[in-house]
Amino acid sequence: SAVISQKPSRDICQRGTSLTIQCQVDSQVTMMFWYRQQPGQSLTLIATANQGSEATYESGFVIDKFPISRPNLTFSTLTVSNMSPEDSSIYLCSVVVTYEQYFGPGTRLTVT
Amino acid sequence: KQEVTQIPAALSVPEGENLVLNCSFTDSAIYNLQWFRQDPGKGLTSLLLIQSSQREQTSGRLNASLDKSSGRSTLYIAASQPGDSATYLCAVNNNAGNMLTFGGGTRLMVKP
Repeated sequence: SAVISQKPSRDICQRGTSLTIQCQVDSQVTMMFWYRQQPGQSLTLIATANQGSEATYESGFVIDKFPISRPNLTFSTLTVSNMSPEDSSIYLCSVVVTYEQYFGPGTRLTVT
Repeated sequence: KQEVTQIPAALSVPEGENLVLNCSFTDSAIYNLQWFRQDPGKGLTSLLLIQSSQREQTSGRLNASLDKSSGRSTLYIAASQPGDSATYLCAVNNNAGNMLTFGGGTRLMVKP
């Protein structure tokens, strides 16, 4: 299994600002994933982050808006840039261990 | 493109009932399927993982089945309890870098 922590757990931010979300895993993993869950919706994959290479973004998500860092095998950050109210969501990171996917507790972001 | 559908979207049952949650997917070439539980405002907890070669998995009062050829999975909850109240999410892995495609979820309420 894997234990994942995220910081911050929640934040309220003003339009136009940026927020960086941190994700820490208790074991080394090759791939880390960032998902978004908009209010009342299911999860959508934003990007896949591999250590030592650029993140791979899904359709509808771009690096300028959601830059990702992956400095080592246990840590990643997701930045939500130039925020608007439409970015209000829960952001979750996840990893795969022995075929099973584990999720962090999420970061609840509200943009005013 | 894989699409995952969950029926019903919401379900309310009295305590003690056995219940079935349904999940269907359009592309049967899956690697595995995972059922999650999400409590309000929280992250996801993995309940059961079924590999494509398996027909079912059991954990306590939970039993998940998989019929890959027909693109269906069911989550059976026996003797439901108020503590089972949560949103249940089905997610499919097509082995495209281990990313998951999620269904819309079933919001379950078990009444005392």
